[in-house]
Amino acid sequence: ETGVTQSPTHLIKTRGQQVTLRCSSQSGHNTVSWYQQALGQGPQFIFQYYREEENGRGNFPPRFSGLQFPNYSSELNVNALELDDSALYLCASSLGQPTTTYNEQFFGPGTRLTVL
Amino acid sequence: AQSVTQLGSHVSVSEGALVLLRCNYSSSVPPYLFWYVQYPNQGLQLLLKYTTGATLVKGINGFEAEFKKSETSFHLTKPSAHMSDAAEYFCAVSDDQNTDKLIFGTGTRLQVFP
Repeated sequence: ETGVTQSPTHLIKTRGQQVTLRCSSQSGHNTVSWYQQALGQGPQFIFQYYREEENGRGNFPPRFSGLQFPNYSSELNVNALELDDSALYLCASSLGQPTTTYNEQFFGPGTRLTVL
Repeated sequence: AQSVTQLGSHVSVSEGALVLLRCNYSSSVPPYLFWYVQYPNQGLQLLLKYTTGATLVKGINGFEAEFKKSETSFHLTKPSAHMSDAAEYFCAVSDDQNTDKLIFGTGTRLQVFP
């Protein structure tokens, strides 16, 4: 069984640029959540996708957007990068409909984004 | 809104000593509670979770935690620390039944000395 994978592992961008981060969910999982973990902080929920639809969003501006594909893999897009966007971006996948019982989330290793 | 407070950003113990990492939460509804561990340059691994039922929860690697509703606490303990336990530990709460989103504390870095 393949776990959650993310690419790339590291990325360096300059302020104002756009970035796309990718996540492959664990086999059979239909829900993907994205989190931002700034240095020295706990992860913060960005948004969740369930069956290709956004299913909840945290306190992040619209320049953070996402997609989920029919194979349940997902992308996180960030436009107009700011210095404060530098962080570890974590993807987590889970199986099941989020409105039923809690579904355990399995985390990937993350993508380290540095904005200069 | 729910929140998580982890007391002590750094905890140091000797190998073989008791590990106690503190977590308090606030939630307007009965929460689900979690402890995750993060090793350097890795993602998060679930140590244990409380959803319903028994308030003393046992997890992996000898860790356990007790849900105390009256104290709004979910402290993590391990009777005897190993060098391999050195890592960052995060307490998290989930009470949003629409998304399963997790609200994390700021983390506690555990150091284990020989």
